[in-house]
Amino acid sequence: DQQVKQNSPSLSVQEGRISILNCDYTNSMFDYFLWYKKYPAEGPTFLISISSIKDKNEDGRFTVFLNKSAKHLSLHIVPSQPGDSAVYFCAASLETSGSRLTFGEGTQLTVNP
Amino acid sequence: EAGVAQSPRYKIIEKRQSVAFWCNPISGHATLYWYQQILGQGPKLLIQFQNNGVVDDSQLPKDRFSAERLKGVDSTLKIQPAKLEDSAVYLCASSDYNSPLHFGNGTRLTVT
Repeated sequence: DQQVKQNSPSLSVQEGRISILNCDYTNSMFDYFLWYKKYPAEGPTFLISISSIKDKNEDGRFTVFLNKSAKHLSLHIVPSQPGDSAVYFCAASLETSGSRLTFGEGTQLTVNP
Repeated sequence: EAGVAQSPRYKIIEKRQSVAFWCNPISGHATLYWYQQILGQGPKLLIQFQNNGVVDDSQLPKDRFSAERLKGVDSTLKIQPAKLEDSAVYLCASSDYNSPLHFGNGTRLTVT
């Protein structure tokens, strides 16, 4: 039972353009959502999060949008940079503390110079 | 601050052998997690500790996997005996209350 799904295994964009990564979930009890970035041979690193009581959170070039009715969230990166090339994981938690995460399968983002 | 430390980085064993992984969390982090990441999939939670007590081990295959966190700091994850499908990256993470999980670089296990 895949409760968090990232349907796009890969995404390629040009430097300077917007990258949009999508994530869908099935469990309406999820209370907190996070995005992690992972480079090869490294562990995932926290990028940005959003509580279920909000619909948008912004941190520099990164913005996360949450649509609870559609059980959908997205990560926008503007402008995209080559250093953003990595695997991005969407994760969800049943707890406001953000513990015990359920991860999606990941999306490989490639930003071309 | 020093990050989550894991060792070894790589391990190759034959099926039916045993293996152990070690994790040292960020100092002061009470919560420690072990995740399994199979190639092409997202990390899957195996076990969560709060200090030295188990909070959730519902997805830990207890017939072959075991984990402990003595004294509420370091943790070890053991597999005995290993199967081919155990080939994965084993990630340790730690967190403080209301803080995001911090992951180590993982141990890549190959079972042949």
